[in-house]
Amino acid sequence: DQQVKQNSPSLSVQEGRISILNCDYTNSMFDYFLWYKKYPAEGPTFLISISSIKDKNEDGRFTVFLNKSAKHLSLHIVPSQPGDSAVYFCAAIRGSTLGRLYFGRGTQLTVWP
Amino acid sequence: EAGVAQSPRYKIIEKRQSVAFWCNPISGHATLYWYQQILGQGPKLLIQFQNNGVVDDSQLPKDRFSAERLKGVDSTLKIQPAKLEDSAVYLCASRRTAGARTYEQYFGPGTRLTVT
Repeated sequence: DQQVKQNSPSLSVQEGRISILNCDYTNSMFDYFLWYKKYPAEGPTFLISISSIKDKNEDGRFTVFLNKSAKHLSLHIVPSQPGDSAVYFCAAIRGSTLGRLYFGRGTQLTVWP
Repeated sequence: EAGVAQSPRYKIIEKRQSVAFWCNPISGHATLYWYQQILGQGPKLLIQFQNNGVVDDSQLPKDRFSAERLKGVDSTLKIQPAKLEDSAVYLCASRRTAGARTYEQYFGPGTRLTVT
């Protein structure tokens, strides 16, 4: 049962433009949503998070938007840079247990010059 | 602070052999996780420890997988006997239980296992 879904396996964007990565979830009990970035041969690294009581969180070039009624979140990267090329995982967690992270399948972002 | 350490980084074994992976979490992190990431999928939890106790092992194939965290610090994950479908990256993660953003998990570099 895939509770977090990333339906786009890949995204290609020109340097300087906006990258938008999407994520959908099914479990309304999730309290936090996280985005992780993964380079080849490395573990996922935390990028940005958002609480379920917020609708936006911004950190530099990265902004995450949450639409609870649609059970949808998105990560915006502006402006995109070649170093942003990586796999981006959307993940969710229930705050009451702080147990496992539920991950999507990931989206491979490629930023070309 | 030092990150999560894992070894080995790569391992190739034949099916029906056994293998063990080691993880040392970030100092002071009481919670430790083992995830399995199959190619093209997101990481999936195998087992969660709180100190040296198991919190969640509902997704662990207990007929062949075992894990321990005897002193509440480092942990070992074992597979015996391995099957072809066990080929994956095994990720260890840890998190703090006090302070800000306690929901954030820190991942090690992973061990890539190939079963032939």
